Amino acid sequence: NAGVTQTPKFRILKIGQSMTLQCAQDMNHNYMYWYRQDPGMGLKLIYYSVGAGITDKGEVPNGYNVSRSTTEDFPLRLELAAPSQTSVYFCASSLQGGDTEAFFGQGTRLTVV
Amino acid sequence: AQRVTQPEKLLSVFKGAPVELKCNYSYSGSPELFWYVQYSRQRLQLLLRHISRESIKGFTADLNKGETSFHLKKPFAQEEDSAMYYCALSSGNQFYFGTGTSLTVIP
Repeated sequence: NAGVTQTPKFRILKIGQSMTLQCAQDMNHNYMYWYRQDPGMGLKLIYYSVGAGITDKGEVPNGYNVSRSTTEDFPLRLELAAPSQTSVYFCASSLQGGDTEAFFGQGTRLTVV
Repeated sequence: AQRVTQPEKLLSVFKGAPVELKCNYSYSGSPELFWYVQYSRQRLQLLLRHISRESIKGFTADLNKGETSFHLKKPFAQEEDSAMYYCALSSGNQFYFGTGTSLTVIP
């Protein structure tokens, strides 16, 4: 099993550009999450999904969109990139919510200039 | 609101010394608490969870509901313990993470 795979690992965007961060898991997990981590800060939840076709906002959803058309994939879309979106983005998945372990991808370092 | 606080951003200890990484939380219900670790150039991974009450790599963590704490402890630190440690709280469908503590074990 590859676990949770994120692409790309690094990306530089210009202000106003759009992009999609890809996340795929092969563990048949129901729950998937997107976090961002800013320097000196903890991980902040952007969006999460409890199953295919179901998504919900986390703490910091503004400027992002997600979709969950399959169990495996949970892409994060940035529309009109802004410098405030410069961050490291982590995708994670878990079998269920609650007390189950979350498995993380290796992260995507995004810079908006 | 749920919140996880890790007061130390950086912590350095000598090899063989005891280490304690602090975590305090605020939560209105019965919390599910975790410690995650990120070693250099590796992905974030689960170290231990309070519900399992196990010791992983010599680390233990006890939930103290009175003090709302979940401190991570190890009696004798090793160089390979150098990493970033995150305390996390699970609430329903979401995990809330602290800001992390970077532990350096000095040889």
